Amino acid sequence: GENVEQHPSTLSVQEGDSAVIKCTYSDSASNYFPWYKQELGKRPQLIIDIRSNVGEKKDQRIAVTLNKTAKHFSLHITETQPEDSAVYFCATPNAGGTSYGKLTFGQGTILTVHP
Amino acid sequence: GAVVSQHPSRVICKSGTSVKIECRSLDFQATTMFWYRQFPKKSLMLMATSNEGSKATYEQGVEKDKFLINHASLTLSTLTVTSAHPEDSSFYICSAMVGVGAYEQYFGPGTRLTVT
Repeated sequence: GENVEQHPSTLSVQEGDSAVIKCTYSDSASNYFPWYKQELGKRPQLIIDIRSNVGEKKDQRIAVTLNKTAKHFSLHITETQPEDSAVYFCATPNAGGTSYGKLTFGQGTILTVHP
Repeated sequence: GAVVSQHPSRVICKSGTSVKIECRSLDFQATTMFWYRQFPKKSLMLMATSNEGSKATYEQGVEKDKFLINHASLTLSTLTVTSAHPEDSSFYICSAMVGVGAYEQYFGPGTRLTVT
């Protein structure tokens, strides 16, 4: 099955700095790479995703980059704000068969943005 | 769009009783829903995949007789924790896949279960 490794497990930055979280995956057939943000006691929220036919995608202060050759994808947050503090999860889904869509999550990164 | 609700948000029950948690897709039909369990400061652990009109597929180590899943319609899946024990206390979250061919999943707000 798919194996997803996420680093770092914790990340502390000053407001205004950039934050980068990286995930590596094992299944070369993976073709969809979402990132979720989860605040304490709340649901995971999809913040950005990328498909394998694209190398980078941006949405305001958030971007995701994908390197299919190296099998890793990264979340980039620029100009961080205290409200960006949360746990961030990467994931990849199973592409087919009876487990279609089943997500394998990374271990999570606790991001703390200090004012 | 793509709103998923979950009910109840919190439940406290006594050991030995059963608890039912509902997951609904409010503005779309979901042929597939997923049930997760999350421990404090940990990642989401997939328990089972729920497909409308068929039996759920459970992950290894998850007792299907303990965690009953029913997906009777395209907008509703239920998880029943039977004969609950304190070790079943956890945060349970469902998600719904938007459609076949689309991987996007949207999560419910979660249910905090406490078994006393």
